[in-house]
Amino acid sequence: NAGVTQTPKFQVLKTGQSMTLQCAQDMNHNSMYWYRQDPGMGLRLIYYSASEGTTDKGEVPNGYNVSRLNKREFSLRLESAAPSQTSVYFCASSPTGSTNEKLFFGSGTQLSVL
Amino acid sequence: GENVEQHPSTLSVQEGDSAVIKCTYSDSASNYFPWYKQELGKRPQLIIDIRSNVGEKKDQRIAVTLNKTAKHFSLHITETQPEDSAVYFCAATLYSGAGSYQLTFGKGTKLSVIP
Repeated sequence: NAGVTQTPKFQVLKTGQSMTLQCAQDMNHNSMYWYRQDPGMGLRLIYYSASEGTTDKGEVPNGYNVSRLNKREFSLRLESAAPSQTSVYFCASSPTGSTNEKLFFGSGTQLSVL
Repeated sequence: GENVEQHPSTLSVQEGDSAVIKCTYSDSASNYFPWYKQELGKRPQLIIDIRSNVGEKKDQRIAVTLNKTAKHFSLHITETQPEDSAVYFCAATLYSGAGSYQLTFGKGTKLSVIP
């Protein structure tokens, strides 16, 4: 039981390049989330998927797109990377999508945009 | 907008002393208040949470208190140990628009326990 798995762990991009961050969970959770973590800024929600087939914007969605491929997988895409998107990205999941339940985080992706 | 304020941003304590981290929130309808611990280079992990119908909750050396009237909640760690050194995030469910509530995190407190 791996929990929440993110790939890649590290990535360096040039401005304007695109990439997709992958996330998968094996806990049969309904809801999945993408956060970014910047120094002194805490964790900010980018997008979330309350259930398979739905996605919604979070606090900082600009410059990102997401796909809930199936119940297990939720990907985050940067179409044209910018230096402001340099950050650590965490995927998370929760059992039902209630805001009153534990989040299970992946190990993170450290992204640098030059 | 709705937010969560967390203080202090850094905290150093001697091993064995207590540590207290405080958070305030803006939405009186908030009803869930978790605390996450993130060790250096690791993922955030839930250490304790409290719901709005409870004023205090304890789990061994950690406790959380909630004052709904004042809209603040605190994390208390007693008998601190070096392995308590980490960044701690508070969070609260806040209204995010269009009838939706989302978990919003504070900016974190870096706790250093000095042996």
